Amino acid sequence: EADIYQTPRYLVIGTGKKITLECSQTMGHDKMYWYQQDPGMELHLIHYSYGVNSTEKGDLSSESTVSRIRTEHFPLTLESARPSHTSQYLCATSPRSSTEAFFGQGTRLTVV
Amino acid sequence: AQTVTQSQPEMSVQEAETVTLSCTYDTSESDYYLFWYKQPPSRQMILVIRQEAYKQQNATENRFSVNFQKAAKSFSLKISDSQLGDAAMYFCAYRTPFGNEKLTFGTGTRLTIIP
Repeated sequence: EADIYQTPRYLVIGTGKKITLECSQTMGHDKMYWYQQDPGMELHLIHYSYGVNSTEKGDLSSESTVSRIRTEHFPLTLESARPSHTSQYLCATSPRSSTEAFFGQGTRLTVV
Repeated sequence: AQTVTQSQPEMSVQEAETVTLSCTYDTSESDYYLFWYKQPPSRQMILVIRQEAYKQQNATENRFSVNFQKAAKSFSLKISDSQLGDAAMYFCAYRTPFGNEKLTFGTGTRLTIIP
């Protein structure tokens, strides 16, 4: 079954550590997005990609970086985690010819 | 910039009753899309219903329907015959067909179903 996989689901990590949040999809979609969601708050776009080798920053300033070397894979990296990075990170995909976005289950990150 | 406002942080409804969740938005665009997404606890966010701004007819998906008032920039969600599985956070979202096609979300409404 086509789906979007985010790993890990939960992560607690110390300040200063480098982390990579994984997002993989078997949907075959060109467009992929990373949203940040604080508890009880709306989602904010932090990165997006239209396809391989295409990455752009979103509306919310983020110290994270992304890469899109393969269509299926859109990892997000924090070089040096800080407590202010504590949040939920949602990966989403969208097919080229559709308005609908499909979401992964999210990664809840806590930086201590 | 587009904004989406959900003025009801929490709502509750008796099982089998009807509930309406409110959403207003602000945009200068004439062509856009509106969505309601459902986020159950610890589960994936899923699309509930979608409305194209150029369509005057309100969208309907089984027990879910919308009241789209373009001039008033209002987009409410009506859930009929509420079920326990409807308990979730509901997000209203806006999207243009241009640029990065990102979704702009409201702050969400937490819906509780009372058995």
